[in-house]
Amino acid sequence: SQQGEEDPQALSIQEGENATMNCSYKTSINNLQWYRQNSGRGLVHLILIRSNEREKHSGRLRVTLDTSKKSSSLLITASRAADTASYFCATALANDYKLSFGAGTTVTVRA
Amino acid sequence: EAGVTQFPSHSVIEKGQTVTLRCDPISGHDNLYWYRRVMGKEIKFLLHFVKESKQDESGMPNNRFLAERTGGTYSTLKVQPAELEDSGVYFCASSSMLVGGVEAFFGQGTRLTVV
Repeated sequence: SQQGEEDPQALSIQEGENATMNCSYKTSINNLQWYRQNSGRGLVHLILIRSNEREKHSGRLRVTLDTSKKSSSLLITASRAADTASYFCATALANDYKLSFGAGTTVTVRA
Repeated sequence: EAGVTQFPSHSVIEKGQTVTLRCDPISGHDNLYWYRRVMGKEIKFLLHFVKESKQDESGMPNNRFLAERTGGTYSTLKVQPAELEDSGVYFCASSSMLVGGVEAFFGQGTRLTVV
């Protein structure tokens, strides 16, 4: 079964607002990665957060990781139309060779 | 540096036909992965190469799928004969180390439609 599960499944916000999505996983991990897929495009890597980290920032993105709750969140601040995409969390075990993805959160940013 | 490249970007074939997808990983990346996303569901692992060797093909749906990685460079994924349920987006990814330690770089995907 898949490791990560994103919540909510879909999110619609106004341009300029913040978007928050969550990811829960089942087993201990080495790292958790967030990816974005724009319609018809490939998966773009956003952030990798390791199990010993609690928060990470990249531009308008903020990722938190709570290993005790086995959950992560991705916050997009001051959203733009170009942020419209599907967002996936993916977990990796230590010395593992594959990522386990959830079904993703579809974010729609309205102009 | 060129990223992961997949070809074709789109393919529409009839049920029963054969299709071959190609992936060119980032140069120097020994690890190559195939994933698939079907009908808007989760992205599922298909298989993993280290250089030219298959390390894990446990995610391959059935024996209609055959993956190869010639000389440890590019990889192909052949579906023969294709069925309707094979429709989806096929992603290829590569990494320099196992993804437990580093990020994986994905290609733009091949959207396969079987009619």
